[in-house]
Amino acid sequence: AQTVTQSQPEMSVQEAETVTLSCTYDTSENNYYLFWYKQPPSRQMILVIRQEAYKQQNATENRFSVNFQKAAKSFSLKISDSQLGDTAMYFCAFMIGANSKLTFGKGITLSVRP
Amino acid sequence: SAVISQKPSRDICQRGTSLTIQCQVDSQVTMMFWYRQQPGQSLTLIATANQGSEATYESGFVIDKFPISRPNLTFSTLTVSNMSPEDSSIYLCSVLTGVFYEQYFGPGTRLTVT
Repeated sequence: AQTVTQSQPEMSVQEAETVTLSCTYDTSENNYYLFWYKQPPSRQMILVIRQEAYKQQNATENRFSVNFQKAAKSFSLKISDSQLGDTAMYFCAFMIGANSKLTFGKGITLSVRP
Repeated sequence: SAVISQKPSRDICQRGTSLTIQCQVDSQVTMMFWYRQQPGQSLTLIATANQGSEATYESGFVIDKFPISRPNLTFSTLTVSNMSPEDSSIYLCSVLTGVFYEQYFGPGTRLTVT
């Protein structure tokens, strides 16, 4: 079975600073996709970034980037120049090939302090 | 991406009754999903709804309790039947886009059963 582990339940960061959210996963598959989703308080789940397992290059979307370590089965999210609007719950998720089912981690609550 | 709407956005229901949640997407999609999320918790997949076939339910979820319809490529409904307070949760639909295997989520329906 595939599992996604987010071991940090909460983190806090000062505005304009950089923060890294950790995620590890476990699978025996070779073809899979990894995602980070953001869920602001009482608001909609938003896709932040996607990484294909076959790509060695780490994905980047503006202030968001990932550190994908396939051998270590690690997929961390780095948020640069943190903004107050980044305050949210962040979920790491995993999908095997065309299976299309997302397996989510427990999530981490990120608070950005002014 | 995809724009997804859900109705109702929230409801308070009495135990023993049923509620049907609607999910509408602005483009044709093959795969739609229904999730349940306790506030502040992670998402649990209820079922996968493909147009033209029966929904596929995850372990712990049964069709009699959560019947799903998928009449076309832009619409689906989830019914929560014979509700109990344990069914109080947020119910989300999501759709899979074919190009990059990305899932996009609706805003959710917050259900409270009294």
